[in-house]
Amino acid sequence: GAGVSQTPSNKVTEKGKYVELRCDPISGHTALYWYRQSLGQGPEFLIYFQGTGAADDSGLPNDRFFAVRPEGSVSTLKIQRTERGDSAVYLCASSVTRSTDTQYFGPGTRLTVL
Amino acid sequence: KQEVTQIPAALSVPEGENLVLNCSFTDSAIYNLQWFRQDPGKGLTSLLLIQSSQREQTSGRLNASLDKSSGRSTLYIAASQPGDSATYLCAVNSHNAGNMLTFGGGTRLMVKP
Repeated sequence: GAGVSQTPSNKVTEKGKYVELRCDPISGHTALYWYRQSLGQGPEFLIYFQGTGAADDSGLPNDRFFAVRPEGSVSTLKIQRTERGDSAVYLCASSVTRSTDTQYFGPGTRLTVL
Repeated sequence: KQEVTQIPAALSVPEGENLVLNCSFTDSAIYNLQWFRQDPGKGLTSLLLIQSSQREQTSGRLNASLDKSSGRSTLYIAASQPGDSATYLCAVNSHNAGNMLTFGGGTRLMVKP
């Protein structure tokens, strides 16, 4: 079956612009996660959804970052007024039901803020 | 706060060698530990997941061990091949941060033909 997919694979934007990153989890997975990976480092947690609700958003760095999952499947990570420091690879993952299940990762979206 | 450290940061070995990658974590109250592989410009591929009650897991040439009390895990790769070249990441799912994986910085492995 299909794995986790993310679009776009690459996004280049200018400082101050708004961007949206999309994640399609594995069909039937109720848990969905966003992570951010800077060059040469391991991924860092941003937000966790259980169904349609954000169960844990403690990793979002500030209020410029927001994520939604309105129908409990596809999720969109939204970044307002982008800054150069937002440049990173944004990874999405999903798991069957709980956060303690195996998490399956998508290929990521590489965001570059000029 | 859980902290995960991986040593070495980079490793280069000739093809055919057996090798060990190390992962340590500061809080032993974990649900599980997971090893991932990441190829350049790609996402993460799950290799092995060890539950807190388990001591080791094996998949093909890979063997991962877990010593929860000492906060350590090792990934053993037997008879390494050039195709094993990648970054290997370990991540823990902790009781006090159960909704997220906490990752180490990774070990960049190069296997030379």
